[in-house]
Amino acid sequence: EIVMTQSPATLSVSPGERATLSCRASQSVSSNLAWYQQKPGQAPRLLIYGASTRATGIPARFSGSGSGTEFTLTISSLQSEDFAVYYCQQYNNWPPSMYTFGQGTKLEIK
Amino acid sequence: QVQLQESGPGLVKPSETLSLTCAVSGYSISSGYYWGWIRQPPGKGLEWIGSIYHSGSTYYNPSLKSRVTISVDTSKNQFSLKLSSVTAADTAVYYCARLNTVTSPFDYWGQGTLVTVSS
Repeated sequence: EIVMTQSPATLSVSPGERATLSCRASQSVSSNLAWYQQKPGQAPRLLIYGASTRATGIPARFSGSGSGTEFTLTISSLQSEDFAVYYCQQYNNWPPSMYTFGQGTKLEIK
Repeated sequence: QVQLQESGPGLVKPSETLSLTCAVSGYSISSGYYWGWIRQPPGKGLEWIGSIYHSGSTYYNPSLKSRVTISVDTSKNQFSLKLSSVTAADTAVYYCARLNTVTSPFDYWGQGTLVTVSS
């Protein structure tokens, strides 16, 4: 099983500032890495796939980078609606297919 | 626009079988794609349970494989999850979701349904 480790667990940032979230895989997942945003009481929302491609309708302030085992999600100028929990997920472990998620980073208002 | 909606009992007794259904609208399951179940215990992270192709091929999380069955009913445009011998550790919000291919992220999600395991 590929273990995904996110850091930090909690990130406190002021609105308008930049946020940088990290995700590390226990073995290479190539670029088969996605980022999701989850707000309280809601389902996760796909933000980034292929490590760096924004999903449909996702604002340009969200960007992803990395490959192999090290990945980063950057939010360039935080808006109030961006404060949420962010999860990374690998979908490279095939066959057999075994998708794993990171434990999440909570982005909170400073 | 693809929409997914989970349904099923919100309370299941220990040792019994949890059964959930995901109704899909805006897309015909028989046309393709993969469909999956993910769960999230209260206050915790996400865990993939398993996925199914429209043809019926299934893929399960090895840690749950012995207790999980996922099936698809193309005539009703829905797919289902059964988890047997449940314990309190299976208490979670259960989500259904869609994958484009077997190596794709989950692009559409249902709103989730809370299932509590308790006597």
